[in-house]
Amino acid sequence: AQSVTQLDSHVSVSEGTPVLLRCNYSSSYSPSLFWYVQHPNKGLQLLLKYTSAATLVKGINGFEAEFKKSETSFHLTKPSAHMSDAAEYFCVVSDRNQAGTALIFGKGTTLSVSS
Amino acid sequence: EAGVAQSPRYKIIEKRQSVAFWCNPISGHATLYWYQQILGQGPKLLIQFQNNGVVDDSQLPKDRFSAERLKGVDSTLKIQPAKLEDSAVYLCASSPPGVLDYEQYFGPGTRLTVT
Repeated sequence: AQSVTQLDSHVSVSEGTPVLLRCNYSSSYSPSLFWYVQHPNKGLQLLLKYTSAATLVKGINGFEAEFKKSETSFHLTKPSAHMSDAAEYFCVVSDRNQAGTALIFGKGTTLSVSS
Repeated sequence: EAGVAQSPRYKIIEKRQSVAFWCNPISGHATLYWYQQILGQGPKLLIQFQNNGVVDDSQLPKDRFSAERLKGVDSTLKIQPAKLEDSAVYLCASSPPGVLDYEQYFGPGTRLTVT
């Protein structure tokens, strides 16, 4: 079965410093991986996705993630944090089966950004 | 384009009462999903519809939860009777035809509190 593990439940950074949110995955086949962001009282928004093309994936708002098969990791990074980046971030793997496609979410990482 | 709409946004009920949530997906989206997000956890898929047929309901507690998608557009999720552990945010998502199912667009959710 597919699964993801987000290694940090809470990450705190200062505005203008780099962001690193860590995610490891487990998959019996080549996975599709995603990062979603959830701002308070707003819907989940897709940040970026990896679907077996380029291993370095660029997303919205300056975020990017690198797929590393040897490390089974898909960490999310951003060179310089902004106050508006404060939110909940979910690492997600798709689980294709005969019934369809389910998204398997990690438990989330809360990103706090201080001025 | 208009996003996924959900109502109500908030609901408070007592245990053993019944409750219903409504979702209107993005126009033209064939696939509709209901997720349950318990506080501190990532969303978990409850049920997936393709047009008005159920694709996957393996995670739906069928003794108390039911869902329907009449005419392949709007959907309703019902809980009867509710339990304390049903307190969660219920998210609806949809995805368009012709693309991989993982491109899901989420609504703002309905926050249910069972007392």
